[in-house]
Amino acid sequence: KAGVTQTPRYLIKTRGQQVTLSCSPISGHRSVSWYQQTPGQGLQFLFEYFSETQRNKGNFPGRFSGRQFSNSRSEMNVSTLELGDSALYLCASSLLRTGGLNEQFFGPGTRLTVL
Amino acid sequence: SQELEQSPQSLIVQEGKNLTINCTSSKTLYGLYWYKQKYGEGLIFLMMLQKGGEEKSHEKITAKLDEKKQQSSLHITASQPSHAGIYLCGADGGNKLVFGAGTILRVKS
Repeated sequence: KAGVTQTPRYLIKTRGQQVTLSCSPISGHRSVSWYQQTPGQGLQFLFEYFSETQRNKGNFPGRFSGRQFSNSRSEMNVSTLELGDSALYLCASSLLRTGGLNEQFFGPGTRLTVL
Repeated sequence: SQELEQSPQSLIVQEGKNLTINCTSSKTLYGLYWYKQKYGEGLIFLMMLQKGGEEKSHEKITAKLDEKKQQSSLHITASQPSHAGIYLCGADGGNKLVFGAGTILRVKS
């Protein structure tokens, strides 16, 4: 069974630009969560999508948005990039909605560098 | 909101030595995950603990959950260079996973 895939793996952008990251969950998984990982803040929850609906959102500005398609693939968009958005963005898929004990499988991440 | 504190922040051990990493929660733990991460890569699932007192082992890694202490420990026996990486604990923080800051493990040959 193929794991969670994320594209692209590496990305360099300049301030003010926007970026779209993609995540393909494990086949059959309907929940996709996104996390931002930085050395200073660690792993922080961005949002979760389940059955094409955003179910939960972390404490991030509106510049961060996402969506999920009918095949459960998810995209995350960051507009008006700032230097502080440089991070490793991880997505995780699970069979059920997050909450309770439900194993999440993580992708390899997208390393975003904002210059 | 729930917070997880990991200790130590980093650890350097000689190959073959045992070590323990702790994860303490600010709220009652109803379950806990342990993940391992190689620098700059995704998280690899190690174990999920569901009940107080539960203990699970995989190869040379054992994890325990102490609900009363709101704590979990990860123990590695006879460490090897392949154990090096960042170990993260995670818990259900109300429809999202909350993670500790991680423990960086280096194993000296």
